[in-house]
Amino acid sequence: LAKTTQPISMDSYEGQEVNITCSHNNIATNDYITWYQQFPSQGPRFIIQGYKTKVTNEVASLFIPADRKSSTLSLPRVSLSDTAVYYCLVGAHYNQGGKLIFGQGTELSVKP
Amino acid sequence: GAVVSQHPSRVICKSGTSVKIECRSLDFQATTMFWYRQFPKKSLMLMATSNEGSKATYEQGVEKDKFLINHASLTLSTLTVTSAHPEDSSFYICSARDPTGAEQYFGPGTRLTVT
Repeated sequence: LAKTTQPISMDSYEGQEVNITCSHNNIATNDYITWYQQFPSQGPRFIIQGYKTKVTNEVASLFIPADRKSSTLSLPRVSLSDTAVYYCLVGAHYNQGGKLIFGQGTELSVKP
Repeated sequence: GAVVSQHPSRVICKSGTSVKIECRSLDFQATTMFWYRQFPKKSLMLMATSNEGSKATYEQGVEKDKFLINHASLTLSTLTVTSAHPEDSSFYICSARDPTGAEQYFGPGTRLTVT
């Protein structure tokens, strides 16, 4: 499974756009990129998933360059409630038994 | 989205006793469930893959005789921590893969404290 590298922590202020970049140089052809959010003492929550180019949903956007060796999670206009740990995961849900291996994650702190 | 529940949400037990944690997929059948543990300020560590009707597959370094996993139905997997010790105190999280395999849904976690 492809290993991921993310910044350990990031700080932001309410109303700003936050971009968290994840490196996954060894991503395989059939791997998808998935981002999860985790609040303290809760299970992770799915945010967004993509394979290439750009994906957008009601909470975030995911940008994936053509070589797919990195991806960027974009959170528009963050609020205090977006303070959490964000995990970037890479894996082929269909062909590798669905195992999700978590990296260290990025601890995002949003300040007023 | 799909819901996965865990019971209990928190448990305190004495050293040497065994504790069972349940993981249920509430609105879908899950042939595969996963168990993770998470220490404070650390990431989730995959412990094992639970397959309905067959033996669990454990990750390297996880003692199968200490962490017993049973997946007797398509909606329920249980993790039993046998002869628990204080170092087993952790946050245990399960997840269930939906039938299409496209997504995993995580439970809310169980906080285990061994005194």
